[in-house]
Amino acid sequence: AQSVAQPEDQVNVAEGNPLTVKCTYSVSGNPYLFWYVQYPNRGLQFLLKYITGDNLVKGSYGFEAEFNKSQTSFHLKKPSALVSDSALYFCAVSGPNQAGTALIFGKGTTLSVSS
Amino acid sequence: NAGVMQNPRHLVRRRGQEARLRCSPMKGHSHVYWYRQLPEEGLKFMVYLQKENIIDESGMPKERFSAEFPKEGPSILRIQQVVRGDSAAYFCASSDGQGPEKLFFGSGTQLSVL
Repeated sequence: AQSVAQPEDQVNVAEGNPLTVKCTYSVSGNPYLFWYVQYPNRGLQFLLKYITGDNLVKGSYGFEAEFNKSQTSFHLKKPSALVSDSALYFCAVSGPNQAGTALIFGKGTTLSVSS
Repeated sequence: NAGVMQNPRHLVRRRGQEARLRCSPMKGHSHVYWYRQLPEEGLKFMVYLQKENIIDESGMPKERFSAEFPKEGPSILRIQQVVRGDSAAYFCASSDGQGPEKLFFGSGTQLSVL
């Protein structure tokens, strides 16, 4: 069965520093991977996705993620964190039936960026 | 182009009552997904529907929970005889169903069971 793990409940970084939010996955076949962000009292917003192609995927708000097949990881990164990046981040993988299927989400990682 | 609309934003019910949560997908989207978010548990898939059909309900509790997406009108998640453990944020998402797509989420309904 498809699954996603986010090993850190919380990540703390100082503004201006690089940030990494970790994600590992377990899928049968080629993975379709996603990152979403949730701000307080809001629904999730799409950041980026990996389907195929370049291992480095660029997304919204300056975020990027690196797909590493050998390590089964899809870590979210940003070169310079902003206080406004503080939010809850979810990694997700597409379910067993790729087309039109539900996404399976990790438990989420709270990112806190201090000024 | 309105996004995914969920109502109500907040719903308070007493134990044993029924809760009805509504979701109107984005214009042009015919696929709807319901998720439940509990503290410390993240976002859990519940059910995936297309117009008039349930595609995948593997995440739905076996009792008291049901979902529908009629030909006309919003998708409804129905919880009968609510218990305190049903208190959570329920999110709806929609898509156009074209491959490994990104989902568009509503702002959620916070259900509180007293």
